[in-house]
Amino acid sequence: AQKVTQAQTEISVVEKEDVTLDCVYETRDTTYYLFWYKQPPSGELVFLIRRNSFDEQNEISGRYSWNFQKSTSSFNFTITASQVVDSAVYFCALSGYNFNKFYFGSGTKLNVKP
Amino acid sequence: DAGVIQSPRHEVTEMGQEVTLRCKPISGHDYLFWYRQTMMRGLELLIYFNNNVPIDDSGMPEDRFSAKMPNASFSTLKIQPSEPRDSAVYFCASSLDFRPEAFFGQGTRLTVV
Repeated sequence: AQKVTQAQTEISVVEKEDVTLDCVYETRDTTYYLFWYKQPPSGELVFLIRRNSFDEQNEISGRYSWNFQKSTSSFNFTITASQVVDSAVYFCALSGYNFNKFYFGSGTKLNVKP
Repeated sequence: DAGVIQSPRHEVTEMGQEVTLRCKPISGHDYLFWYRQTMMRGLELLIYFNNNVPIDDSGMPEDRFSAKMPNASFSTLKIQPSEPRDSAVYFCASSLDFRPEAFFGQGTRLTVV
């Protein structure tokens, strides 16, 4: 079975704090893909990153970084020096080897206060 | 590219009426998805198409829901008759075969009263 768990329902931080959003997944596939999407208050879903199961290298993009660990089935997302514009709901998602079907977590709402 | 375009952005309709949601995927994308987002159930995949052919409609909640993709640049999701519990945000997304990330439209917020 495919499943994504985002245990943190809501997180509040003060601007410039670092924050990590957790994502734990379950899959029986040996080849799979993991994703993070951002949903700002305006409602659209914005693609942030994709990783495949064979690439465990961590990735950094500006203030964003992702830590993929197969040993713990986790794909965590860290925002460094958070800003008010980072306030959004963040979704972690999983797709199998036939990557057409996405399984989304329940989302983590991030509130960044000035 | 303009991205995935959905219309209308908002729809308010009375129970029992037919509702049609529209989607224009990104040009060249060969996969198209319809999702529904509610507070209770989160994001649910309703149906997806590959090269205009429905591949998996197991997420379609009832026979009242139907989706079509008559060509590579257009898809519709129809609810007939609509019910208040259908109120949700409906997203359309598209992707390329060799790039598995899906790109989402801005969604249609449906309210059935």
